[in-house]
Amino acid sequence: SQTIHQWPATLVQPVGSPLSLECTVEGTSNPNLYWYRQAAGRGLQLLFYSVGIGQISSEVPQNLSASRPQDRQFILSSKKLLLSDSGFYLCAWTARLAVYNEQFFGPGTRLTVL
Amino acid sequence: DQQVKQNSPSLSVQEGRISILNCDYTNSMFDYFLWYKKYPAEGPTFLISISSIKDKNEDGRFTVFLNKSAKHLSLHIVPSQPGDSAVYFCAASDAVRGGSNYKLTFGKGTLLTVNP
Repeated sequence: SQTIHQWPATLVQPVGSPLSLECTVEGTSNPNLYWYRQAAGRGLQLLFYSVGIGQISSEVPQNLSASRPQDRQFILSSKKLLLSDSGFYLCAWTARLAVYNEQFFGPGTRLTVL
Repeated sequence: DQQVKQNSPSLSVQEGRISILNCDYTNSMFDYFLWYKKYPAEGPTFLISISSIKDKNEDGRFTVFLNKSAKHLSLHIVPSQPGDSAVYFCAASDAVRGGSNYKLTFGKGTLLTVNP
């Protein structure tokens, strides 16, 4: 069966510090991968998605970047965090050849920028 | 432009009664709709879905209804249980058969509270 991991689970970082959040998927190959953010009291905002190694699409301009160095690894980064980067970050995957794209989410990372 | 709208931020029902969560969409290209359930500090879990060729899909206590002409869908939970208390997200997709660009557009969620 497929599983998706995210770490760390929680993170407290000062403004201006770098960020690296990691997501890995097991039990599937060639997944589509996604990064979402849920800010306090808000819905799920799609940040990035990837359909293959090295292929990243950005949905909204922001202080973050994403990379996919391996087929089942998706990394969310920032060089300098802002207060507004605080939120709950979720990674998700879906099968590449799925006709209907049910996405499956990881447990999330709670990021607090102080 | 919010293409998927959940106009009720919260809903409170008594245990054993029906919960009805509503969702409206504006993009006529959406052809697949999903409901996710989310507990605090956890990732959303897939609950139930419906394609545009159907108007109803049922799975145990959960039923999703789709009214394409009104661009409206709803999730019914019968009977509601305290463990159903969570945020429910509606999501929609314009899935491209055979393509590789799959995105979901989410609503902002409705917090359901089921009181014992």
